[in-house]
Amino acid sequence: NAGVTQTPKFRVLKTGQSMTLLCAQDMNHEYMYWYRQDPGMGLRLIHYSVGEGTTAKGEVPDGYNVSRLKKQNFLLGLESAAPSQTSVYFCASSFYREPLSGANVLTFGAGSRLTVL
Amino acid sequence: GENVEQHPSTLSVQEGDSAVIKCTYSDSASNYFPWYKQELGKRPQLIIDIRSNVGEKKDQRIAVTLNKTAKHFSLHITETQPEDSAVYFCAASVPNSGYALNFGKGTSLLVTP
Repeated sequence: NAGVTQTPKFRVLKTGQSMTLLCAQDMNHEYMYWYRQDPGMGLRLIHYSVGEGTTAKGEVPDGYNVSRLKKQNFLLGLESAAPSQTSVYFCASSFYREPLSGANVLTFGAGSRLTVL
Repeated sequence: GENVEQHPSTLSVQEGDSAVIKCTYSDSASNYFPWYKQELGKRPQLIIDIRSNVGEKKDQRIAVTLNKTAKHFSLHITETQPEDSAVYFCAASVPNSGYALNFGKGTSLLVTP
């Protein structure tokens, strides 16, 4: 049981290049999320998915696209990378939310450090 | 996220002292408030959480309090130890975003021996 796995762990891109970050979970979780973490900014939600075939925008979606073709995978794409997208990207997943409390326990991946030159 | 404010941004205490981190949130529909600890270079890990129908929860040296009326919640760490040094994030659930979490900007806690 690997939990949430992110690939690659590190990547350096040149401005304008494209790439895809892969998040895979083996816990049969319905919900998946992509966050970015920048110094002093906490974690900010980029996109999320509440099930296979669904995606939605979060707080900072510009410049990113996502896909959830399979329940276990959530892909984050950068079509034309910019230096402002230099960040650490975390994927997270969760199984359910408790109907009354709205509790949603997120399990995070180890992170992917992306540098755009 | 901008809907969750966290203070202080840095906190330095001596070993054995208590540490308190405070957060406020703006969305009255939020009803789940977890706290995450992130060590340098590692992923965030859940350390404690509280639901909206509870005012206080304790787990050994860690406690969280919630005041829904004032939209405040706090993390209390007693008898701090050097291994408590890390960045702590508070968060609040966002009901209209797949129950994602809005995070505060984090508090860097340093516990000195």
